[in-house]
Amino acid sequence: AQKITQTQPGMFVQEKEAVTLDCTYDTSDQSYGLFWYKQPSSGEMIFLIYQGSYDEQNATEGRYSLNFQKARKSANLVISASQLGDSAMYFCAMREGLGRGSARQLTFGSGTQLTVLP
Amino acid sequence: DAMVIQNPRYQVTQFGKPVTLSCSQTLNHNVMYWYQQKSSQAPKLLFHYYDKDFNNEADTPDNFQSRRPNTSFCFLDIRSPGLGDAAMYLCATSSDGTGPSLNYGYTFGSGTRLTVV
Repeated sequence: AQKITQTQPGMFVQEKEAVTLDCTYDTSDQSYGLFWYKQPSSGEMIFLIYQGSYDEQNATEGRYSLNFQKARKSANLVISASQLGDSAMYFCAMREGLGRGSARQLTFGSGTQLTVLP
Repeated sequence: DAMVIQNPRYQVTQFGKPVTLSCSQTLNHNVMYWYQQKSSQAPKLLFHYYDKDFNNEADTPDNFQSRRPNTSFCFLDIRSPGLGDAAMYLCATSSDGTGPSLNYGYTFGSGTRLTVV
């Protein structure tokens, strides 16, 4: 079964509008972390925002916010006031288990290609 | 700035000719990862090092090897590249086991785009 599901292969948004990118996840761990990354066409993976499973408040970082609904196992990314430079591939990722002293990989979804229209 | 650096940015290699990709970090993170990302796909973990301990993913082909001579450097060796190995290779680090960061400080390099001709 897919651990991270992103159902929107492509999204379009008008400049200055808000957009929501969907992400659902599947884990049996009680402790986990959810990440969103931006990947421009140049290829580097840029960290945007993080939400821990025990965090009670939704994470926010500037124009990015994470709509975390634990019971529904969803972690949607909201980008407010879209800019042309936001056009990129966006990946949702999960790290299962938050215990220290062990390495835990990030598991990625298939990504959403966001295009911001002028 | 502390960072993860991958060299080269672009690599062209011949079919069957061994190639090495390199990754260095100034973050002093104890974990280093190698991901393979084919066009329009999610990154897929190949293996990782936790300090000197090497951890291979079950489905990583034997054609792929890795070396970590010290904390700062990690190499990806492809012994006999095939056309199907053309991809972006991403190196990442994290601070599992050390440091106060709640998000474990995952940091990615800019990637090496490998072309096999």
